[in-house]
Amino acid sequence: EVQLVESGGDLVQPGGSLRLSCAASGFTFSGYMMAWVRLAPGKGLEWVANIKNDGSEAYYVDSMKGRFSISRDNAKNSLYLQMNSLRAEDTAVYYCARDNNYKVDIWGQGTLVTVSS
Amino acid sequence: QSALTQPPSASGSPGQSVTISCTGTSSDVGVHNYVSWYQQYPGKAPKLMIYEVSKRPSGVPDRFSGSKSGNTASLTVSGLQAEDEADYYCSSYAGRHTYVFGTGTQVTVL
Repeated sequence: EVQLVESGGDLVQPGGSLRLSCAASGFTFSGYMMAWVRLAPGKGLEWVANIKNDGSEAYYVDSMKGRFSISRDNAKNSLYLQMNSLRAEDTAVYYCARDNNYKVDIWGQGTLVTVSS
Repeated sequence: QSALTQPPSASGSPGQSVTISCTGTSSDVGVHNYVSWYQQYPGKAPKLMIYEVSKRPSGVPDRFSGSKSGNTASLTVSGLQAEDEADYYCSSYAGRHTYVFGTGTQVTVL
């Protein structure tokens, strides 16, 4: 079964850091671009970042450049999102997603990040 | 990287059709044929319903159809059913490996 399982979501104080992980199974992980997408309370989906299948290049939404870093370990079939200098507006459910030729065809169940003092 | 514009809500009675618009710019929807539509139930992960403007993944009912004209894409749900009540988001490739999502539309089946 094709599956993505996120972990690492937590309550963190403003200015803090958090690392999200995503474990992939059921498909050849190294053959696909991967992405993070978030859903903030009362708002719509927002694309965060994606990374090439070999990890050589990563792309970010402008508002998160410099604060967030996407990476992957193909040997471990895992995707990561390092989030620094977190703000209240980063509070959201973060989804791991398979970026398959200009569409997201597989989504994880999401992990909740809450930024609050 | 501004969000694509969707109506906040849409509704229809069972059996009717509802169409949701998704308006972007000449930098995303208008220039790329990589528009996707996602269905999301509260507390659940999104599900791909339409890709490349009008293609349906395996398993998606043919009641769902997509189209595009200029900077605006549209999703039509025909023969509306109770289970179609959900949030719907469009998405477009915006160049340089970046993507933009729509603001989302809540569909209500009356």
